[in-house]
Amino acid sequence: QSVLTQPPSVSGAPGQRVTISCTGGNANLGAGYDVHWYQQFPGTAPKLLIYGNYKRPSGVPDRISGSKSGTSASLAITGLQAEDEADYYCQSYDSSLSAWVFGGGTKLTVL
Amino acid sequence: QVQLAESGPGLVKPSETLSLTCSVSGDSIINNAYYWGWIRQSPGKGLEWIGNIFSGGTTYYNPSLKSRVTISLDTSKNQFSLNLTSVTAADTALYFCARRHNAFDRWGQGVRVTVSS
Repeated sequence: QSVLTQPPSVSGAPGQRVTISCTGGNANLGAGYDVHWYQQFPGTAPKLLIYGNYKRPSGVPDRISGSKSGTSASLAITGLQAEDEADYYCQSYDSSLSAWVFGGGTKLTVL
Repeated sequence: QVQLAESGPGLVKPSETLSLTCSVSGDSIINNAYYWGWIRQSPGKGLEWIGNIFSGGTTYYNPSLKSRVTISLDTSKNQFSLNLTSVTAADTALYFCARRHNAFDRWGQGVRVTVSS
């Protein structure tokens, strides 16, 4: 059981907007540690999508955005495309565990 | 373009030591802007951080694995390595090496390790 909680799955139709939540606690997101988001296709390495709560690395489209407030964070994808179907993970630092932690992951299905 | 590539045996016997190497190209592991780390993913499961090493050699380990993990640098080869001792079937996973600044921004393709006799 991860200290960062994500919904196991979300879905949306092409063109729609979906959000993926990441809920933490006072030792991680609530303590001010940044949240980062990764996209992973089966059998491949994760790819960094969002770092520092809302910043996009070069090459990540602006239809992907991140936000954080208190002990929660969200990843939003607008204009959903078939190619967005993947697993998504949030990640932060937890001071009580003294460890970098990942959420359990969310599988995004494009209907 | 920074590239990372993991290498090592795909099969390790229970109670033995798992040893993996990450070869880095396009950047120097003594670049003090970055940490170099290992993350693993058990079959059908999520991601687990194993540990990081800074360019000066300072290490940070997941407390749940700390007693069994060693990460080290080989600056002459621009590589860093993972040793995990006393492995069990629970250590069967896809192992990734990665570069971290704020987040893990570059990853290797991963190497699958199975613990079995």
